[in-house]
Amino acid sequence: GAGVSQTPSNKVTEKGKYVELRCDPISGHTALYWYRQSLGQGPEFLIYFQGTGAADDSGLPNDRFFAVRPEGSVSTLKIQRTERGDSAVYLCASSLFEKETQYFGPGTRLLVL
Amino acid sequence: GNSVTQMEGPVTLSEEAFLTINCTYTATGYPSLFWYVQYPGEGLQLLLKATKADDKGSNKGFEATYRKETTSFHLEKGSVQVSDSAVYFCALRNSGAGSYQLTFGKGTKLSVIP
Repeated sequence: GAGVSQTPSNKVTEKGKYVELRCDPISGHTALYWYRQSLGQGPEFLIYFQGTGAADDSGLPNDRFFAVRPEGSVSTLKIQRTERGDSAVYLCASSLFEKETQYFGPGTRLLVL
Repeated sequence: GNSVTQMEGPVTLSEEAFLTINCTYTATGYPSLFWYVQYPGEGLQLLLKATKADDKGSNKGFEATYRKETTSFHLEKGSVQVSDSAVYFCALRNSGAGSYQLTFGKGTKLSVIP
C-alpha cells in the first residue's frame, strides 16, 4: 500500500514569509508525528497527534510553528515569519497506534533565503 | 533526558568487509531501541529494533543486541555490499506513559566501495 507522502518535496521561500507543509499518513494510522532534521543531525521531534488532537507539541521551537490535523488524517505544519534558521528537512511519520513502528515520509526540504 | 550517541562518520569500507557502527544511549526507564536507515534520495526506513534487554534485532544481514549493562545497541553486518551505502541512525523510544517520540543520534554515513 501507499506509504507516507509529503508535499512539496522542496520549498524555497524568503525570510519573513509563511509556509505550509503537508503530510498524508498511511491510511488508518491514528498517530502522526512531525520531526525536523537539520544538516548533519538526526531528526528532532516537533509534535505528535493522536487522532485530531495534538497530544504533545513540546518540540515546537517557538510560537511561529503550528500544526493541525482537522480530520485525523492529513496534517499541515505551518510556519509563520520564516527565518533562515528554519531551513531543514521536515519529516512526517505515522504509526498505527501510539507505540507501534513509525513509518517516515520522504520529507520536505525547506530553504529560507 | 534521553540521548543517543553514535560513532562519527563517514565510514568507508570495501565490499564484503565487516561493519560495526557503535551506538550508546542515555534514557530513563527501559527504552526500545531502533536502527533506521536512509538510502540516498529516500526516506527513513526502520532497519531493526529491540524492545528489551538482551533482545537481538536483525534484518537484511544486519544485527544489533540490546545491552542494558553497557547501554549500547551496536549495529553489525558480517559482509557489506555496495547497496548498503546509506546513512544509519540509532534511535530510542522511552517506555511509560507518553512514550511515542523517537530520539535519534546524529547518523553515520556508510560508503561501501567495490
